[in-house]
Amino acid sequence: AQRVTQPEKLLSVFKGAPVELKCNYSYSGSPELFWYVQYSRQRLQLLLRHISRESIKGFTADLNKGETSFHLKKPFAQEEDSAMYYCALSGQGNRDDKIIFGKGTRLHILP
Amino acid sequence: DTAVSQTPKYLVTQMGNDKSIKCEQNLGHDTMYWYKQDSKKFLKIMFSYNNKELIINETVPNRFSPKSPDKAHLNLHINSLELGDSAVYFCASSQRSLEKLFFGSGTQLSVL
Repeated sequence: AQRVTQPEKLLSVFKGAPVELKCNYSYSGSPELFWYVQYSRQRLQLLLRHISRESIKGFTADLNKGETSFHLKKPFAQEEDSAMYYCALSGQGNRDDKIIFGKGTRLHILP
Repeated sequence: DTAVSQTPKYLVTQMGNDKSIKCEQNLGHDTMYWYKQDSKKFLKIMFSYNNKELIINETVPNRFSPKSPDKAHLNLHINSLELGDSAVYFCASSQRSLEKLFFGSGTQLSVL
């Protein structure tokens, strides 16, 4: 069964400090992992996906298959990073695979 | 030129009523979805359609009936609304199943 766990409901970080949003997953096959972000009053949008290995807005995430984790990191937080962040997982492409989301972590950047 | 648009943005209605939410995408995507975001911001898949065919029905009560007249549209009809149906409903689409999702701006449903 697919499962995504984001253990932190709320994370408060001072501006300029490093950020790490945790995500662990459970999937028997080879997963594809994503991070989506929802800024205040905006629609959900893709932040990054692990296969593209690119850095968006200074965020990176590395897929660690040994620890089944896909933590989101940024070395220096900015106030505009305050948002709701969702980790998501999709399966290998079987007909009834789906994209499921973790419960989300609200990131609050303190001035 | 919005990629995924859904209407209405807000929907306030009484218990027991029937209501519909419409969704359209102009991206040429094959797959469309409905997700429900509850008051705690949990985002849960309800349905997915691929080229007008239902692929996923995530044990949603049968008061919820999706309808896809063509691959650019996926509407959600809800019968006999209940208080617990109050949530934000998001439509989304992707080029193919399990690819990057493009979301609509959401419909906030309040059942009184």
